[in-house]
Formats: sequence, structure tokens, C-alpha cells
Amino acid sequence: GAVVSQHPSRVICKSGTSVKIECRSLDFQATTMFWYRQFPKKSLMLMATSNEGSKATYEQGVEKDKFLINHASLTLSTLTVTSAHPEDSSFYICSARASGGRSYNEQFFGPGTRLTVL
Amino acid sequence: GEDVEQSLFLSVREGDSSVINCTYTDSSSTYLYWYKQEPGAGLQLLTYIFSNMDMKQDQRLTVLLNKKDKHLSLRIADTQTGDSAIYFCAERNNQAGTALIFGKGTTLSVSS
Repeated sequence: GAVVSQHPSRVICKSGTSVKIECRSLDFQATTMFWYRQFPKKSLMLMATSNEGSKATYEQGVEKDKFLINHASLTLSTLTVTSAHPEDSSFYICSARASGGRSYNEQFFGPGTRLTVL
Repeated sequence: GEDVEQSLFLSVREGDSSVINCTYTDSSSTYLYWYKQEPGAGLQLLTYIFSNMDMKQDQRLTVLLNKKDKHLSLRIADTQTGDSAIYFCAERNNQAGTALIFGKGTTLSVSS
């Protein structure tokens, strides 16, 4: 089956530093990847849609200068939280949508990255 | 706008059936999904149903779709303690590259 990995799985950083989270599709190509944020006991909130080779599309209320997204290849998208603050602490989950074929209907989710900003 | 609603909690005894309900508002939704999330983990796709189907069964899981009422349910037969998790209902329309819209999740607690 299709596998999506995220790295790191858990990160603790000081306020003011930047943190990069990687999302990789391991055995398929993904022209589209999505970044979600999950608050405790809340649903997933879509932050942005990332398309390979083009600029990401951000949802309303998500600061593009704070959450930098790069989708440099068909298997890798990165989310960089710049100048992180404690309110950015959250569980960040990416998903990847296969370019076509049998898995057209499915989004495959990564295991998530727990970010804690002190 | 699009909205997906679920009840927040469900508690059942081991061996009983669990039914988790979901309602959605986007009539253009073409795919509806059920995901499972265990504590501290990512999302696991359980099953999905295309909007022209009424029912889909996969081992202990049965999905029922009432498109007229925009109501989706997930039935877990013979619920086990390992089924304890948060279950998310999600929808998307048929446009390429569209993200999923999630409900807030139903926490299923299974007692032995």
C-alpha cells in the first residue's frame, strides 16, 4: 500500500526558532500534498494545498509567511514553521494524493509531527 | 459552506455493535471517508464510499449512506477494545486536488 512518512515525528524547540517538517510519499508520486493541523480534541484543519512545482494555496487565516511550504519534487513537501511561538504547538499531519490510477480516490496520511514550542 | 458534523463520544461494551453517525452539508460531495486515529498517531483510512452507493461492507465494518438526508454511518460489528480510537468522517467533492473536509471526530470507548 501507499506509505507517507513524516520527519521528525516529534520536535521541541525554543520560541523564535524555525522548524522544518518533511512529508514524503515513499512508494508513489504525489502531485498534490496537503498540510493539516490538529488541535487537541479538535478536527483536522486544512492549512494549505501543495502542488509540485508551484506555489502552495493557503487556506483563509493561515499566514503564508509563517508557514512556508515547498513542494520541490513529486515525493517531497516541506512545511517550515518560522519564528515559532507557543501557540504554534500542535500536531501537524500531511497527506498525499496519488497522481492517478487505483488510488485516485484516496489520500494517504503521514503519521504526524508533534511540535512543542517552549 | 461545507460542514461535517459528528457526535463527539460513544461508549460501548466489548462484543456489542458500535454505530457512529455523521452528517454533511455539501451536496456535491462525491466521496465520503471514515478514518481512525489512535492516540498520538496519524490517520488510518478505514473505508470510503462513492456517493452513488447506499452501502459498503468490509469485514466488521458496514458503511451506510443516505444521500437524500446527507447522512453517513459506520457500524463496527463485535467491537473490540482495540477499536477504541477517534473516528473521523470526511468528505470531498470530485474536483481534482481537493482536500478533505473533516468532522470533529467521534471518540469511541470500548469497555471489557
